[in-house]
Amino acid sequence: EAGVAQSPRYKIIEKRQSVAFWCNPISGHATLYWYQQILGQGPKLLIQFQNNGVVDDSQLPKDRFSAERLKGVDSTLKIQPAKLEDSAVYLCASSLVDLRYSPLHFGNGTRLTVT
Amino acid sequence: AQSVTQLGSHVSVSEGALVLLRCNYSSSVPPYLFWYVQYPNQGLQLLLKYTSAATLVKGINGFEAEFKKSETSFHLTKPSAHMRDAAEYFCAVSAKGGSNYKLTFGKGTLLTVNP
Repeated sequence: EAGVAQSPRYKIIEKRQSVAFWCNPISGHATLYWYQQILGQGPKLLIQFQNNGVVDDSQLPKDRFSAERLKGVDSTLKIQPAKLEDSAVYLCASSLVDLRYSPLHFGNGTRLTVT
Repeated sequence: AQSVTQLGSHVSVSEGALVLLRCNYSSSVPPYLFWYVQYPNQGLQLLLKYTSAATLVKGINGFEAEFKKSETSFHLTKPSAHMRDAAEYFCAVSAKGGSNYKLTFGKGTLLTVNP
């Protein structure tokens, strides 16, 4: 099966600019996650979708981050305006059902550098 | 609340030696526990998971982990390291928070394998 696709792989922007990341999960996977992985740390959940509804966005900085999952398939994560501390790898993951019973499949991530 | 502590941010072993990566968890409810591996410039891949069945869990690539409730530990081991095992390893815990199971990652342990 095709894996989780993410684009772009790399992005360099200046602070206060905006940026968007795209994710295409594995076909049929109902749950989609966006994680932020800062250098030297483990991934931190930003937002979780079940189909096209938000299940958990408690750690999403909503003043600057937004995400949507139209039609319950692809998803985009946007940052506007970006700050230096947003430099990180943004990982998208999907799972067939509840993570207790089906593993998370991760994409290769988008490495964002904010200068 | 749930959390994971990985002891040692960097572990170095010789090829053929025992690999031991330490993980301790904190959870107020019975947890589900996972180990993920991340190769350079790639997303995370599930190695193994504990879901309240057998306490000794076998995963891919010869890795295994033992759940010890009394020690709140879930250490990852492999009898004989290979060069291809060099990667970053993340322990993660999932427990129910509200209506949703959330995955919380540790900070990771970088495994180096020396020839």
